[in-house]
Amino acid sequence: GAVVSQHPSWVICKSGTSVKIECRSLDFQATTMFWYRQFPKQSLMLMATSNEGSKATYEQGVEKDKFLINHASLTLSTLTVTSAHPEDSSFYICSIGGRGSEAFFGQGTRLTVV
Amino acid sequence: GESVGLHLPTLSVQEGDNSIINCAYSNSASDYFIWYKQESGKGPQFIIDIRSNMDKRQGQRVTVLLNKTVKHLSLQIAATQPGDSAVYFCAENAGGTSYGKLTFGQGTILTVHP
Repeated sequence: GAVVSQHPSWVICKSGTSVKIECRSLDFQATTMFWYRQFPKQSLMLMATSNEGSKATYEQGVEKDKFLINHASLTLSTLTVTSAHPEDSSFYICSIGGRGSEAFFGQGTRLTVV
Repeated sequence: GESVGLHLPTLSVQEGDNSIINCAYSNSASDYFIWYKQESGKGPQFIIDIRSNMDKRQGQRVTVLLNKTVKHLSLQIAATQPGDSAVYFCAENAGGTSYGKLTFGQGTILTVHP
């Protein structure tokens, strides 16, 4: 399977600041990457589909101006949480699609907004 | 439709027992299903998958059963070990243009007692 790396693994930021999370595909050229959010004791919820060279597709209820996604190359997608607030504290996970509909996940980024 | 987990169900077993984890999926158009294992603070790890043209698939110590009539998926783990303790999620993919895009079930916390 593909190897997906996220950075940072965890981050603490002050309320009102912005945080950027990187998702890298180390051995696979990914035209599409996916961003999920997971609150404690809950399931993963898809936030958006990141498309290389074009705009991301956001799921219903996800603010595209708050969660900025950039997919400038086949190996890197970034998620920027703008003007973060405590309610944005969560576990953010990216994935890339494999050749057979399977998805390979990064190790996740724990965001804490204080 | 979306599957949202508010509080994950739990399953406790003794080491050596067999475990069965169940999942109900929502989209009758889904044609690919995956089971993931998630350990605390980590991203989901692929366990086993099955396509909709099958009703059973076996891996090493794991078996997935698919019942499309009632939209039900199960994961059987044989001779459960303490290292199997984790949260288990089923995920579905509708294929086609949603290649790699997954909808997750609510998850089950599996605890294996020595």
